[in-house]
Amino acid sequence: DTGVSQDPRHKITKRGQNVTFRCDPISEHNRLYWYRQTLGQGPEFLTYFQNEAQLEKSRLLSDRFSAERPKGSFSTLEIQRTEQGDSAMYLCAGVRVPGNTIYFGEGSWLTVV
Amino acid sequence: AQSVAQPEDQVNVAEGNPLTVKCTYSVSGNPYLFWYVQYPNRGLQFLLKYITGDNLVKGSYGFEAEFNKSQTSFHLKKPSALVSDSALYFCAVRDWDGGSQGNLIFGKGTKLSVKP
Repeated sequence: DTGVSQDPRHKITKRGQNVTFRCDPISEHNRLYWYRQTLGQGPEFLTYFQNEAQLEKSRLLSDRFSAERPKGSFSTLEIQRTEQGDSAMYLCAGVRVPGNTIYFGEGSWLTVV
Repeated sequence: AQSVAQPEDQVNVAEGNPLTVKCTYSVSGNPYLFWYVQYPNRGLQFLLKYITGDNLVKGSYGFEAEFNKSQTSFHLKKPSALVSDSALYFCAVRDWDGGSQGNLIFGKGTKLSVKP
């Protein structure tokens, strides 16, 4: 158990709908990352938070994507106006800086139909 | 830019035989290297890491990896494979050069298949 929980595990949505994923790391994870993984590929970085501050966003994170981490605890990743190309697994990961091991949640599968 | 390469899409091994999953890296500065395993429809599980020190790193489930600076490699090994080791394995390096302050950069993954 990595201590990182993600919800929902699976989501099927129609194109154009909005979806939101939630990540609950353990309290010691002062840094939180979001990644996206498509079939046959390794995870790709989307964004990260240091406590409640969002410090970096990948160019993969279009303006339809928004992430928050209020109070530096749980985090949400929202995708607006979903497209079929958004179908992927969205992974959340936490690390207690200055530690080096990043621990992943089980991921949230998104299928856009 | 930091990167890792996993040259094999798939590795097939008979149960009981030793296994090796290859990884090479390209970094500026000292590499922070990791191996993760992913079972179907699951997240990534941490196996082991190399930060500094002994080149042979031992990890979970009997896995180990050897850091080789001259060959810029970090191959994952296990002396005796189990059918339950069948999964997708990812090598990763922490990116300290970009703005993400240590984000992981992953290889494409290697599918390990262990046959009874």
